[in-house]
Amino acid sequence: ELKVEQNPLFLSMQEGKNYTIYCNYSTTSDRLYWYRQDPGKSLESLFVLLSNGAVKQEGRLMASLDTKARLSTLHITAAVHDLSATYFCAVDMAVGNEKLTFGTGTRLTIIP
Amino acid sequence: NAGVTQTPKFRILKIGQSMTLQCTQDMNHNYMYWYRQDPGMGLKLIYYSVGAGITDKGEVPNGYNVSRSTTEDFPLRLELAAPSQTSVYFCASRTQGSGNTIYFGEGSWLTVV
Repeated sequence: ELKVEQNPLFLSMQEGKNYTIYCNYSTTSDRLYWYRQDPGKSLESLFVLLSNGAVKQEGRLMASLDTKARLSTLHITAAVHDLSATYFCAVDMAVGNEKLTFGTGTRLTIIP
Repeated sequence: NAGVTQTPKFRILKIGQSMTLQCTQDMNHNYMYWYRQDPGMGLKLIYYSVGAGITDKGEVPNGYNVSRSTTEDFPLRLELAAPSQTSVYFCASRTQGSGNTIYFGEGSWLTVV
């Protein structure tokens, strides 16, 4: 059974600082997704990572994937208040068996 | 663009009642999913479908049923509602294939009292 773990679960950081959220998964996969969820809202797609070494960036967020280590990171650069949200990673089991499994989520609070 | 549409958005059920959460997508996606999200928690997969007529259990299927008679619709049925089913339910869809974006509905807030 695929398990997806994120850490930290909660993160409070000051504006302007950098930090990284980690996503570990238990079985082989080369497809990883990052989502953002604002309170009371649905999930918004941020990144789709499809191969070992994949790196994608959008604004102050950068995601990377290391399939050998079964690890993805979401790096936040010079955080701003608007980035406060809960961030989820999710992993596919395999082609043809695409049960998307979500991590526990990281609740990020940016303090002015 | 409608995308993934869920109804109702909010519902209060009494213990033992039954109801159906509706989910429709207009993107001709063959994969559809139902997740539940308990307060402060991640998403858990209830059921999923890879095409019309095909459904399979996810991580937490007990107390729920689904059907997929058309590509567009994937209703979730709650039989004999229990307080443990109080949650937010999300429907999602995507096309088969690597790297395709998963689209989520707005969510259905269900309270069982």
